[in-house]
Amino acid sequence: GAGVSQSPSNKVTEKGKDVELRCDPISGHTALYWYRQSLGQGLEFLIYFQGNSAPDKSGLPSDRFSAERTGGSVSTLTIQRTQQEDSAVYLCASSAHQGAGNTIYFGEGSWLTVV
Amino acid sequence: AQSVTQPDIHITVSEGASLELRCNYSYGATPYLFWYVQSPGQGLQLLLKYFSGDTLVQGIKGFEAEFKRSQSSFNLRKPSVHWSDAAEYFCAVVGNTGGFKTIFGAGTRLFVKA
Repeated sequence: GAGVSQSPSNKVTEKGKDVELRCDPISGHTALYWYRQSLGQGLEFLIYFQGNSAPDKSGLPSDRFSAERTGGSVSTLTIQRTQQEDSAVYLCASSAHQGAGNTIYFGEGSWLTVV
Repeated sequence: AQSVTQPDIHITVSEGASLELRCNYSYGATPYLFWYVQSPGQGLQLLLKYFSGDTLVQGIKGFEAEFKRSQSSFNLRKPSVHWSDAAEYFCAVVGNTGGFKTIFGAGTRLFVKA
């Protein structure tokens, strides 16, 4: 596609429910990132996929968070048993191929509110 | 592991005044450095990036940044700020060995007053 697409754009869920956030990267991009941005906070790294390599999960805040990337393209971030502190914007980004100099392109984000 | 520090949480400048946003990084070698901007209601957009060569890099919207190895800094500058520059600015670093994970600073929010 033309850009990184995320869905849903907004999600309100009850505490304790599971949520899934989807990311469609730019076609052909092999690197995919998930970041979290809480109100007034910076960008918190969550997880990074690069091609067929094992993902870097070092930023996932707890075992309630998981992500997968199917077929090297679409990614799903799953949050189980959501808590109010999970409320944030979840940003997905992708870049063309492995290499430190590649620009990463962000989606518009998925706004998650846990009530 | 690499890290990025943006010491200023927010900065206020008058329209037409010059701007400098600070960014310090921590990395054992020369990293790849980026500045991104997040305008209200919009996604993150790349302003400029540094890989090697000339330490002064030009970006979009009249921004520039200078890499100073001795100070581990990559400060963003603009000679004359416009009201439309009000946004959140993020400095980012990517290590050039293994992983190539992009790490962002906490961001600096720029307010522009008339």
